[in-house]
Amino acid sequence: EPEVTQTPSHQVTQMGQEVILRCVPISNHLYFYWYRQILGQKVEFLVSFYNNEISEKSEIFDDQFSVERPDGSNFTLKIRSTKLEDSAMYFCASSDQGARTGELFFGEGSRLTVL
Amino acid sequence: QQPVQSPQAVILREGEDAVINCSSSKALYSVHWYRQKHGEAPVFLMILLKGGEQKGHEKISASFNEKKQQSSLYLTASQLSYSGTYFCGTDSEYGNKLVFGAGTILRVKS
Repeated sequence: EPEVTQTPSHQVTQMGQEVILRCVPISNHLYFYWYRQILGQKVEFLVSFYNNEISEKSEIFDDQFSVERPDGSNFTLKIRSTKLEDSAMYFCASSDQGARTGELFFGEGSRLTVL
Repeated sequence: QQPVQSPQAVILREGEDAVINCSSSKALYSVHWYRQKHGEAPVFLMILLKGGEQKGHEKISASFNEKKQQSSLYLTASQLSYSGTYFCGTDSEYGNKLVFGAGTILRVKS
């Protein structure tokens, strides 16, 4: 069964460093998403991406964050100058129809720990 | 704007039923339901669309009241495997932004 894969599964970084989280969506999907979940809390929307551009972003997704689809398969989330409060699980999701009408398939997540 | 879920938590014995509610203050086009087990990714259960279409797992049932912007997830004859956190997510007609509620923790005991 096709699945969304994310790397790394866990990354530890020092405050102020840049981090890149990578995602390989399901191959025929065109809609991509990043979500964040701080331990024990809700799943927070960060950004959606379609047709090589951002569709929507939350107030959390400020200039510290950026997304990119550098090639035909990867979808990345870059976090510049990480802060302690960026420590969380980051989930990538993809969809063939988009969130309005279709299922989101989530990856297993990348746990980011900022020290 | 985040949908509101209730209850925050529920404990059941195997075989009992539960209802989880989700409401929004804004007009909705779709409501999604996902279950997340501890340390795992959210898994899709069902989507309910404006107009009445539903897609999802056969053993799961849910309702969507478009006028009230409310949805309910019905878990019947619960099993131990139903334990987890249930999230509803909502999207508007012109959006591509699934926003999740705070979640409902469900624990099924034997």
